[in-house]
Amino acid sequence: RKEVEQDPGPFNVPEGATVAFNCTYSNSASQSFFWYRQDCRKEPKLLMSVYSSGNEDGRFTAQLNRASQYISLLIRDSKLSDSATYLCVVKSYNNNDMRFGAGTRLTVKP
Amino acid sequence: EAQVTQNPRYLITVTGKKLTVTCSQNMNHEYMSWYRQDPGLGLRQIYYSMNVEVTDKGDVPEGYKVSRKEKRNFPLILESPSPNQTSLYFCASSLRGPTEAFFGQGTRLTVV
Repeated sequence: RKEVEQDPGPFNVPEGATVAFNCTYSNSASQSFFWYRQDCRKEPKLLMSVYSSGNEDGRFTAQLNRASQYISLLIRDSKLSDSATYLCVVKSYNNNDMRFGAGTRLTVKP
Repeated sequence: EAQVTQNPRYLITVTGKKLTVTCSQNMNHEYMSWYRQDPGLGLRQIYYSMNVEVTDKGDVPEGYKVSRKEKRNFPLILESPSPNQTSLYFCASSLRGPTEAFFGQGTRLTVV
C-alpha cells in the first residue's frame, strides 16, 4: 500500500463548480500536511499547508482528519486557471523527508 | 528573486556516461533534496541534505550520489546512468527540514 494515496482523476468540472479532493495517508505518525499544485511540465508549488483546525485561503479550503487519516482540499467557484495536478504531501515525525501522493488531475472547462 | 536553479533543463545521454545535474538556491536554506517524478508514481525522494556536509538517502538512492560542500549547492551525480534512470528530476530547498519546499524547474533526463 502506498504511504500517500490520491484519486488520480481526472476531474473535469465546469467553471464555477465546487470540487473536492481527498488524500489518505497510512503513517499515523504523520505530522505535517500540505497541498502542492503542479502545472503541466512545471515544478510543484506550495498551495497551502493544512492545519489541524482546518484553514482557508480565498476559494481554497483544506481540512485534516487525523482519526481517519485523510486530508481534503475544496476548491469553490473553479476558474480555468485552477486546471492543474494537485499533490498531497505528508511529513511524519520520524522521517526527514516528505511523502508525495501521485496527484489528482483537475481540468476546469468553460 | 528567490529561486532554485537546476541545470541542465534537458539532457539526453548514453548508458554509462557519468553526468552531474546542478542545483543552486539563493535563499540560504538549510534543507535541500532531490526527487524523481515518474508517471503514476508521484515524486520519490532520492537524497536529501539537512545542512552542509550532512546528506542522507531517501526512498530511491540506488545509482545516485550527492554532495553538499556549500550551503547553496546540491549537485546530483549519476556515475553510470542506466535507462531506468530516465525521468524528470526536481531539486527542492526549504528553510529548515522538509516542510514548505521551493522546487527548481526540473531536469528531464533521457538515458539511451
